[in-house]
Amino acid sequence: SQQGEEDPQALSIQEGENATMNCSYKTSINNLQWYRQNSGRGLVHLILIRSNEREKHSGRLRVTLDTSKKSSSLLITASRAADTASYFCATALVRGGSARQLTFGSGTQLTVLP
Amino acid sequence: ETGVTQSPTHLIKTRGQQVTLRCSSQSGHNTVSWYQQALGQGPQFIFQYYREEENGRGNFPPRFSGLQFPNYSSELNVNALELDDSALYLCASSLGLAVSTDTQYFGPGTRLTVL
Repeated sequence: SQQGEEDPQALSIQEGENATMNCSYKTSINNLQWYRQNSGRGLVHLILIRSNEREKHSGRLRVTLDTSKKSSSLLITASRAADTASYFCATALVRGGSARQLTFGSGTQLTVLP
Repeated sequence: ETGVTQSPTHLIKTRGQQVTLRCSSQSGHNTVSWYQQALGQGPQFIFQYYREEENGRGNFPPRFSGLQFPNYSSELNVNALELDDSALYLCASSLGLAVSTDTQYFGPGTRLTVL
């Protein structure tokens, strides 16, 4: 079963607008990661936020983490048509020392209209 | 570009056949993980190999097996293909074992269709 669930499933915005995607997860985590996937291709790592961090920035990306609510959000500011992709959150469940697998949500499909 | 390659890009097989998918990791990356991604879903963890040994497995049956070689290449083998095996198969390599902190570099994937 999926550890994380993204919301909304699909999002369509105009170029220049901000896009916000949310992720909820079920168990305690060490950190949470966000990935991007273009049209059925490989995933690209965007950003990692640790469980003791509340907010992190990388370029036009802003990620927040609320461990009490087991949720995270990804904000893309000033969106561009090239940001059109699927976005996934991923968590790592630590078992016996080091986490061996990433568990992904079902993703948000973002469409940025020119 | 992540430096991780996969072959073939696309593959069509019939039910009951066997298939081998290949992945070439970044040089120096000792860990490779394989994921299955059904259409419209997130990737699901199949297994991980570290220095040529299986180091963790997801909820997949034994007909999914793998190999990792000293030259940073690896294989995913699937026997007795079923229709539900149709998916995008992704490999991801990393330096170490800790997927929670080591950046995972994903390949472009192999699209498998089972008829």
